[in-house]
Amino acid sequence: DAGVIQSPRHEVTEMGQEVTLRCKPISGHNSLFWYRQTMMRGLELLIYFNNNVPIDDSGMPEDRFSAKMPNASFSTLKIQPSEPRDSAVYFCASSVSVNQPQHFGDGTRLSIL
Amino acid sequence: EDKVVQSPLSLVVHEGDTVTLNCSYEVTNFRSLLWYKQEKKAPTFLFMLTSSGIEKKSGRLSSILDKKELFSILNITATQTGDSAIYLCAVVRGNNNDMRFGAGTRLTVKP
Repeated sequence: DAGVIQSPRHEVTEMGQEVTLRCKPISGHNSLFWYRQTMMRGLELLIYFNNNVPIDDSGMPEDRFSAKMPNASFSTLKIQPSEPRDSAVYFCASSVSVNQPQHFGDGTRLSIL
Repeated sequence: EDKVVQSPLSLVVHEGDTVTLNCSYEVTNFRSLLWYKQEKKAPTFLFMLTSSGIEKKSGRLSSILDKKELFSILNITATQTGDSAIYLCAVVRGNNNDMRFGAGTRLTVKP
C-alpha cells in the first residue's frame, strides 16, 4: 500500500524565494497534518485538516506560511518569502479518523541559504 | 498551557542493557498517548495507550500508561544497536485528533 507521499524530498533555495511542499495522504484518510522538525524545537504541529477543512493553524509560525487542501488527496504547505530560519524537515501525516495513529511521510528536508 | 515532557533527552547504553523512557503530560481533554520511533526518516508508530495499567507489548518493547499520575513509560529490554533512534511521545487531546509531541529521547545503543 502506498503510504503518505511527500515531494520534493530535498529542497535547497535562496532566502526570499517561494517554497511549496506537497503531500498526498493515504487514500481514505480524513485527517492531514503538517509538522516541522528541528533540532532545537523537536517536532511541532503546524496545521491540520479534517475532511479538507483547516481545523487548527495555531502552530503556523507567521503569515509567511500558508497551507491548503483543495481535495482529499492533496495538500500544500507554502512559505513566501522563505528565510534561513525556516530550514528544517517538514513532515506530512494522515490518519483515518479522530484519535487514530498518524502515518507519516518521509519528509521534505528544506534548506534556505 | 498543555505540555508533553520526555526524559531523558538523551541516553547512551550498551547492547543488552534495559532502558526506560519517560513521558509526562498535562493536557486538557486527554484521549490517548502514542509512542513513535524515528530513525533516519519519518516516525513509525509503536503503541497507542488509552487505558491506565494495561501494558502494551511488542517483542522487546513494552509500554504502560498511568492516567492518574499523568505519565507513560516505554521499556526496551536487551537493547540492540538497531534500537538507536529518537523516541517520540505524543498525546492526543480533544475531539479533532489534535496531537502534542514531546521533544523526544535520543537513544544510542553502542555495541
